[in-house]
Amino acid sequence: RKEVEQDPGPFNVPEGATVAFNCTYSNSASQSFFWYRQDCRKEPKLLMSVYSSGNEDGRFTAQLNRASQYISLLIRDSKLSDSATYLCVVPGPSGGSYIPTFGRGTSLIVHP
Amino acid sequence: DAGVTQSPTHLIKTRGQQVTLRCSPKSGHDTVSWYQQALGQGPQFIFQYYEEEERQRGNFPDRFSGHQFPNYSSELNVNALLLGDSALYLCASSPPGLAGNTDTQYFGPGTRLTVL
Repeated sequence: RKEVEQDPGPFNVPEGATVAFNCTYSNSASQSFFWYRQDCRKEPKLLMSVYSSGNEDGRFTAQLNRASQYISLLIRDSKLSDSATYLCVVPGPSGGSYIPTFGRGTSLIVHP
Repeated sequence: DAGVTQSPTHLIKTRGQQVTLRCSPKSGHDTVSWYQQALGQGPQFIFQYYEEEERQRGNFPDRFSGHQFPNYSSELNVNALLLGDSALYLCASSPPGLAGNTDTQYFGPGTRLTVL
């Protein structure tokens, strides 16, 4: 099993739709989780952090299920500007520190 | 306040050559991490530099080496280039004391390396 797995998509949704992505991870020792957004040919930018059961920021909600080892990202009322690749990041313990492991990303396309 | 800067933006090399990529961290940041992002994949951690030393390393061969200077800027060197080294190379910097926190790192725009 890969350390961090994501469905690459693409998810093609109309404006206003609600869409959810899942990310599964294999390292049960991981304590924190992150969602990054990456626009085409740009650098990744932090979208949300998840340290406990979940986090909400406006239209975006991230949830963590430690028992099943997955995190999810829910986007409500999708906007055209939400079109991007969403990367799940799970820092794995390594020698007293943490090495961030990125998933391959899920592509979202929001159309009019 | 300048963010993370990288140079060059694009680079074309041939197999067997050597390449050096450069990164200047965000003002106030002292830790630099390097990532390789192949097309259609997520970034893969190469290594992290702090106090001019390599502190963490991902699963990359010794052909990949780095350096950090006293002003916290950093270089990534790749020797004996292979076709598979073609990728976007991202640099990320972190502030003092928070290098272990993934959510405090800021990425630069990257250097796109093509190996022919």
